[in-house]
Amino acid sequence: DGGITQSPKYLFRKEGQNVTLSCEQNLNHDAMYWYRQDPGQGLRLIYYSQIVNDFQKGDIAEGYSVSREKKESFPLTVTSAQKNPTAFYLCASSIGAGGGQPQHFGDGTRLSIL
Amino acid sequence: KQEVTQIPAALSVPEGENLVLNCSFTDSAIYNLQWFRQDPGKGLTSLLLIQSSQREQTSGRLNASLDKSSGRSTLYIAASQPGDSATYLCAVSNDMRFGAGTRLTVKP
Repeated sequence: DGGITQSPKYLFRKEGQNVTLSCEQNLNHDAMYWYRQDPGQGLRLIYYSQIVNDFQKGDIAEGYSVSREKKESFPLTVTSAQKNPTAFYLCASSIGAGGGQPQHFGDGTRLSIL
Repeated sequence: KQEVTQIPAALSVPEGENLVLNCSFTDSAIYNLQWFRQDPGKGLTSLLLIQSSQREQTSGRLNASLDKSSGRSTLYIAASQPGDSATYLCAVSNDMRFGAGTRLTVKP
């Protein structure tokens, strides 16, 4: 079955530590996205990528970094510069970017501070 | 900057009732509007996508309408069931702005 796999499901970060969240898709989609969701709020866009080796900042990119070396993979690194990283992180993909295409989501990674 | 609002924030109804969820947005220049369902601790499942040129979309007991001129969309759920209990979010594109969602509880 095609889909989006996020791992791990739960992740804990120590002070000063960088952590990386994995997102893999086998839908052959060009575009991939990372969102952050805080309790009682909607999703906010962190980064998106329209094609391999290209990515753009979203609304809340500070303290995060991404790479897109393969079409199937779009890992997100939460750096120590992100002072409030506790949240639910969702990865999504779509056939193309720029609107007009439905997005498909993974099951998320919940990140907490130790 | 596009802002998306969903009212009410929470809704509780008895099983079998028909209900309407609301989504409003401030900029009518959108490509499409998408409704999602989110179960606790899970990702989002796409329910319906309405292109900007369309007025409504239907899937089973769900019907979504779009009125760009007034900046509004509604999600109509017919004959609600306990399994419909979830949070429902709308998102408008160009740039995938999400509302905060409506948490729906359907009581048996």
